[in-house]
Amino acid sequence: RKEVEQDPGPFNVPEGATVAFNCTYSNSASQSFFWYRQDCRKEPKLLMSVYSSGNEDGRFTAQLNRASQYISLLIRDSKLSDSATYLCVVNQAGTALIFGKGTTLSVSS
Amino acid sequence: DAGVIQSPRHEVTEMGQEVTLRCKPISGHDYLFWYRQTMMRGLELLIYFNNNVPIDDSGMPEDRFSAKMPNASFSTLKIQPSEPRDSAVYFCASSLGAWTGGAPDIQYFGAGTRLSVL
Repeated sequence: RKEVEQDPGPFNVPEGATVAFNCTYSNSASQSFFWYRQDCRKEPKLLMSVYSSGNEDGRFTAQLNRASQYISLLIRDSKLSDSATYLCVVNQAGTALIFGKGTTLSVSS
Repeated sequence: DAGVIQSPRHEVTEMGQEVTLRCKPISGHDYLFWYRQTMMRGLELLIYFNNNVPIDDSGMPEDRFSAKMPNASFSTLKIQPSEPRDSAVYFCASSLGAWTGGAPDIQYFGAGTRLSVL
């Protein structure tokens, strides 16, 4: 079983749609969780951290379910500029980050 | 700050040749990471350094790969001899520290080196 698994997509949605990505991780000792965004042929950049209580940043909402070892990212009112690959990232204390392969989102007008 | 700088941006070489990738981390950052990204395997950590010292090189695929960090502002990843299966995008990233408040510091990535081995 891979350490971090994501549905690769692609998710094709119209502008204004709400879309949700899911991610599961295998190591129950994982302590920190993140979503990174990677545009086509660009480097990954931190989108947001994921906290146990759930957190929101504008149109983006991240949630964590430790019991199910599951992380989600919800994007509301999708924009064309949201088109990218979204990488789920986890780590245990004292170790390096582990990246999922990413979920590709394509928003069309 | 200019961010993490990698060179070259693109490298095309023939099988058996030596390839050297270069990275300049963000000034003041104590951690430097080398990653490889392919469609099949995604983003994989190869090695990381703390204060110029290699901490974990368990991700280095084989002896053909080596990495050095002679000083705080420069690191190299060398492949000798290169093989077609080494074709990938190689990213360098740096972070200010390792863990702050129980969570890893943000890693800032360079633009990557796209390597093609023919």
